[in-house]
Amino acid sequence: DAKTTQPPSMDCAEGRAANLPCNHSTISGNEYVYWYRQIHSQGPQYIIHGLKNNETNEMASLIITEDRKSSTLILPHATLRDTAVYYCIVNAGNNRKLIWGLGTSLAVNP
Amino acid sequence: GAVVSQHPSWVICKSGTSVKIECRSLDFQATTMFWYRQFPKQSLMLMATSNEGSKATYEQGVEKDKFLINHASLTLSTLTVTSAHPEDSSFYICSAEGQGWDQPQHFGDGTRLSIL
Repeated sequence: DAKTTQPPSMDCAEGRAANLPCNHSTISGNEYVYWYRQIHSQGPQYIIHGLKNNETNEMASLIITEDRKSSTLILPHATLRDTAVYYCIVNAGNNRKLIWGLGTSLAVNP
Repeated sequence: GAVVSQHPSWVICKSGTSVKIECRSLDFQATTMFWYRQFPKQSLMLMATSNEGSKATYEQGVEKDKFLINHASLTLSTLTVTSAHPEDSSFYICSAEGQGWDQPQHFGDGTRLSIL
């Protein structure tokens, strides 16, 4: 599975959009981009995933570049409850093991 | 949505005892479940992949006799930490495969294990 690179930490003001980048330059054609987050002392929570088209759900938007080598997770109106570690993972299917990096620790400030 | 329940959420026990952690898929069936371990300020590390009705597949460096995994039904997988020692203290998390090829895994809330 392809490796991902994320900045270790980011800050965002409450109410503003949070844009979290992820590089996955070695992604294969059959690999999806998944985003999860982990709030302190809880299990990971799924946010969104996509293959090549941009995706949007009630939590976030996912923008994938045309060459698929990077993506951006957008939280449109960040709240204090969005403070968490955000993980970008590329994976070819649901029964494949997920490789977790260190993610991006997002701090949403009042 | 798909819910994974993990029990207990928190356990403290004496060194040398065995501890069993349960992972249940509440409203769906899961042929494959995964067990992770997470140390403070570190990422999740996959320990093993649990397949219903067959032996678990362990990651390199994970002792299968130390961490016993049983996946006897499509809704329940258990992890038993045998003869636990303080170095086994960690946050253990399970997940279940998604329903559909590209669907995400569903995670439990984790078990905080502290060995005294």
